[in-house]
Amino acid sequence: SQQGEEDPQALSIQEGENATMNCSYKTSINNLQWYRQNSGRGLVHLILIRSNEREKHSGRLRVTLDTSKKSSSLLITASRAADTASYFCATDAGGYQKVTFGIGTKLQVIP
Amino acid sequence: GAGVSQTPSNKVTEKGKYVELRCDPISGHTALYWYRQSLGQGPEFLIYFQGTGAADDSGLPNDRFFAVRPEGSVSTLKIQRTERGDSAVYLCASSQGQTNTEAFFGQGTRLTVV
Repeated sequence: SQQGEEDPQALSIQEGENATMNCSYKTSINNLQWYRQNSGRGLVHLILIRSNEREKHSGRLRVTLDTSKKSSSLLITASRAADTASYFCATDAGGYQKVTFGIGTKLQVIP
Repeated sequence: GAGVSQTPSNKVTEKGKYVELRCDPISGHTALYWYRQSLGQGPEFLIYFQGTGAADDSGLPNDRFFAVRPEGSVSTLKIQRTERGDSAVYLCASSQGQTNTEAFFGQGTRLTVV
């Protein structure tokens, strides 16, 4: 079963614009992570935010976490064509890193 | 190796046949995970190893699926009597096994059952 649900499922923007993707989940978590996937193959880890953190930055990425609403958002600023990919949120609730993925947001950045 | 390696990258097999998918994790990573991803879906957890033992196999869909990690490094996912519904990309990931650590994914094996 998939715990996370990304919104929107698809997003198309112009290069240079910001892209915002949201993730909602159902049960309490220890951490939430965002991954990127190109062409349906390997996933690349982008950022991990702990349940006691509210915001985290990494380069052009900004992640927020609201545990009271069980939601997270990923903001990509100044998007580039190379950012075109699917983005997944993944949550873990156990004592180890068994992560449960959402269905993803497909981002297209138009040059 | 430098990253998680999965072989083969693509596998086409006939319905009813047996297949083995291999995963070489990053050296020193004690945790290893198998996921399955169908088209248009997110990865779905299958099984987690901590060392040689399967700590959580709750995601294996049925008893046709089995995975081993005999020496705590390389893992093999085995599928018996394959069905067309088993067609998917099978992803392997490894991590240092502690909480709050990143999992590194391989490029996956695309399995097609015809």
